[in-house]
Amino acid sequence: KNQVEQSPQSLIILEGKNCTLQCNYTVSPFSNLRWYKQDTGRGPVSLTIMTFSENTKSNGRYTATLDADTKQSSLHITASQLSDSASYICVVQTGTASKLTFGTGTRLQVTL
Amino acid sequence: DTEVTQTPKHLVMGMTNKKSLKCEQHMGHRAMYWYKQKAKKPPELMFVYSYEKLSINESVPSRFSPECPNSSLLNLHLHALQPEDSALYLCASSQGGGSGLAKNIQYFGAGTRLSVL
Repeated sequence: KNQVEQSPQSLIILEGKNCTLQCNYTVSPFSNLRWYKQDTGRGPVSLTIMTFSENTKSNGRYTATLDADTKQSSLHITASQLSDSASYICVVQTGTASKLTFGTGTRLQVTL
Repeated sequence: DTEVTQTPKHLVMGMTNKKSLKCEQHMGHRAMYWYKQKAKKPPELMFVYSYEKLSINESVPSRFSPECPNSSLLNLHLHALQPEDSALYLCASSQGGGSGLAKNIQYFGAGTRLSVL
């Protein structure tokens, strides 16, 4: 069964600090891995998307890494801002373009 | 423009009502999706339309009826819903038409928050 597990479930950090979110997956066949940011009550917004041949990809203060051998990914947020408070969802695509396996997300809260 | 527009933003309906959710995109995408998301849970795929034809139905109850009138519009018709159907309903679209990475990035709308009384 395809699964995507994320940790931690929730995280509280001070504004300006860095943090790293983790994603482990058991998905076959693997096509690509995405990180989405979802504000409460809103739709997910794509941050990064990586294939198995890519180790790292950045989008502003967000940097995602992928280790296809260990089936792990991380999302590093640098110099956090209050607006980073959201759920971050790791999503892995298997085979066809339509089938995505979603992780349960990490709920990040950035405080003053 | 990477916008997927969903209306209404909020909907409250009784179990005997008939209502429709609407989704619109003008990115020329040929694949469109409906997801259901309960609080603190990941989205669950309901339906996929590819080139205006239903390609995936994830065993969704018949009280949910999708419709794709044209390549820019996707509707979800609701009838005789149950209180447990209350959720955030998300629409997404992707370029479709191949396996290239850019073609299958899904862009999500803001969702319709549905409450069934």
